[in-house]
Amino acid sequence: ETGVTQTPRHLVMGMTNKKSLKCEQHLGHNAMYWYKQSAKKPLELMFVYNFKEQTENNSVPSRFSPECPNSSHLFLHLHTLQPEDSALYLCASSRPESIEQFFGPGTRLTVL
Amino acid sequence: GEDVEQSLFLSVREGDSSVINCTYTDSSSTYLYWYKQEPGAGLQLLTYIFSNMDMKQDQRLTVLLNKKDKHLSLRIADTQTGDSAIYFCAITGGGNKLTFGTGTQLKVEL
Repeated sequence: ETGVTQTPRHLVMGMTNKKSLKCEQHLGHNAMYWYKQSAKKPLELMFVYNFKEQTENNSVPSRFSPECPNSSHLFLHLHTLQPEDSALYLCASSRPESIEQFFGPGTRLTVL
Repeated sequence: GEDVEQSLFLSVREGDSSVINCTYTDSSSTYLYWYKQEPGAGLQLLTYIFSNMDMKQDQRLTVLLNKKDKHLSLRIADTQTGDSAIYFCAITGGGNKLTFGTGTQLKVEL
C-alpha cells in the first residue's frame, strides 16, 4: 500500500466521451502530480500542484483539465481525446521540495 | 531542456550482477534517482544519490555517479527473479520537478 490510490485502474473511452481520473493520497502531502507514461518514451510530467495551486503545466493540451480541490485529491478531466492519448496516467504526491515522490498504480487509458 | 537517456532492455541470469546505465544532459542536477516499477504498479523510489557523491551503496544496490561524463549507473548484485521490473533514472535540478528517462526493462532469467 503506497498511500496513493487511483481510480479507475482501467478506462476505455471514445474520442467524444468525457471522463475523469481520480487520485487520492493518504500521506499528508501537499504536492501532487500527474504523469503520462507511454511505451518506449520517458515518463512525462504533465501538471504539478503545490498547496492546491497549479505550479507547473508542461504544455499539456487543453483536452486534459486538472483539478485539485484539496491537498488530498487530484482529478484529471478528459474530453475529446485522441488515440495517441492512450497511455498509463500516473499520479504522485510528495511534501513540497521533498526528494521523494510517492506514486499511485496508475490508470491505463485506451482511447478508441 | 533536460534529457535523460537509458537503454530499453537488459537481460541477465539469476545470480549475476545487473548494471543499468543512464546518461543525462543537465549538469546542474542536484539529486539523481533510481525508481523501480513492477508490473501493474506505480513507481517506487529505490535509491538516490546527491550530486556531490560518487558512490552510494545500499545492500545489493550500488549507485555510481560520474559527473564529468554525466553518467549514472545502478548495479544490482546477485540479481533475483523478483528484481524483474522497469528501472527509471530521474534527475532534478531543484524543487519538485523530476525529469525521467524511458526506463530500462530488466528481465532476469533462470
